[in-house]
Amino acid sequence: ELKVEQNPLFLSMQEGKNYTIYCNYSTTSDRLYWYRQDPGKSLESLFVLLSNGAVKQEGRLMASLDTKARLSTLHITAAVHDLSATYFCAGGYNNNDMRFGAGTRLTVKP
Amino acid sequence: DVKVTQSSRYLVKRTGEKVFLECVQDMDHENMFWYRQDPGLGLRLIYFSYDVKMKEKGDIPEGYSVSREKKERFSLILESASTNQTSMYLCASSFDRGGEKLFFGSGTQLSVL
Repeated sequence: ELKVEQNPLFLSMQEGKNYTIYCNYSTTSDRLYWYRQDPGKSLESLFVLLSNGAVKQEGRLMASLDTKARLSTLHITAAVHDLSATYFCAGGYNNNDMRFGAGTRLTVKP
Repeated sequence: DVKVTQSSRYLVKRTGEKVFLECVQDMDHENMFWYRQDPGLGLRLIYFSYDVKMKEKGDIPEGYSVSREKKERFSLILESASTNQTSMYLCASSFDRGGEKLFFGSGTQLSVL
């Protein structure tokens, strides 16, 4: 069974700083997802990474996938307050096999 | 835009009650899922369905059942609610079984007293 571990679980950042959230998974996964959840809101898909070396960027967020290392990263560049949320990674072959990490609660402070 | 609607945002029930959580999606998705979300544990799959009247167990089905009588609607049933079922319940849907991204509802926070 695929196990997904995220770290850190809590992250407090200053605005303008850079940081990376790490997502390790235990067995081969066909794809890796990143979701964002705002307090009291639904999860929203950010990125779907489908192959080794895949890199996707949107705004200040960039996600990458290294299937050999079983590692995905979510890099935050020049953080702003609007990025405060909980970020989840998830991996698996199909939706029924998808496993989620525990989530990283990000707080960006002025 | 895809919309996944969960009927209640907050529910408070008593131990032993039968509880129904309803979820409706408007994009003709074949796949629907129920997860529970607990702090520090991420999301755990309870049940899923690939078609009408079809259901399969996820990782933590004990104490739950589901019903899918129409394609757009997927119900989660707690036959006899217990305090350890206090949690956030999230419904999701997707277009096919090929690992497409999930669309989530806004969740139902259930408290069992």
